[in-house]
Amino acid sequence: EIVLTQSPGTLSLSPGERATLSCRASQSVSSSYLAWYQQKPGQAPRLLIYGASSRATGIPDRFSGSGSGTDFTLTISRLEPEDFAVYYCQQYGSSLTFGPGTKVDIK
Amino acid sequence: EVQLVESGGGLVQPGRSLRLSCAASGFTFDDYAMHWVRQAPGKGLEWVSGISWNSGSIGYADSVKGRFTISRDNAKNSLYLQMNSLRAEDTALYYCAKDSCGGDCYLFDYWGQGTLVTVSS
Repeated sequence: EIVLTQSPGTLSLSPGERATLSCRASQSVSSSYLAWYQQKPGQAPRLLIYGASSRATGIPDRFSGSGSGTDFTLTISRLEPEDFAVYYCQQYGSSLTFGPGTKVDIK
Repeated sequence: EVQLVESGGGLVQPGRSLRLSCAASGFTFDDYAMHWVRQAPGKGLEWVSGISWNSGSIGYADSVKGRFTISRDNAKNSLYLQMNSLRAEDTALYYCAKDSCGGDCYLFDYWGQGTLVTVSS
């Protein structure tokens, strides 16, 4: 089973700042089958990024994904108030696993 | 617009059973695999079970194997999860999630709002 580690656990930033979230896999994720989800309090997760770098339908371009192999990054270029949430990475190249999440909160 | 609406959650005693349902609309249901993903209070996401478009491929997490049964009725655009021998550790919000393809892609492009299952005496 591929284990995903996300860092940091919590990221405290101000609106307008850049957020960089990391997701590291215990072994290579095939074909960059890595997704990112956003979950706001009381809401269901929402797909943001798939295939490591492709934005899902309706996702603003301030969200971008990068990486390959075992190291992946989600970048939010300028945080909007609605972006403060928990972000999960998920690999779907070998069955599936979720990371533990990174909480982005307001500084 | 894709809609997934879960129902059937509630408070149940350990060892008892519960059946969850998910009503789907806004897409061609029998073209896509479907899944159940759960989230214990204050915790992360855990995949529970998935079923391919034609029920030909079914999978379960080790934590529920032998106790839970997933099924679907394409004529009714509905997904189900029969949960038997429930344990306290099954307490969670259960989400119905649509896969991006008909088989085992495991990429969840739409989610329902969830139904809460609480297992307690």
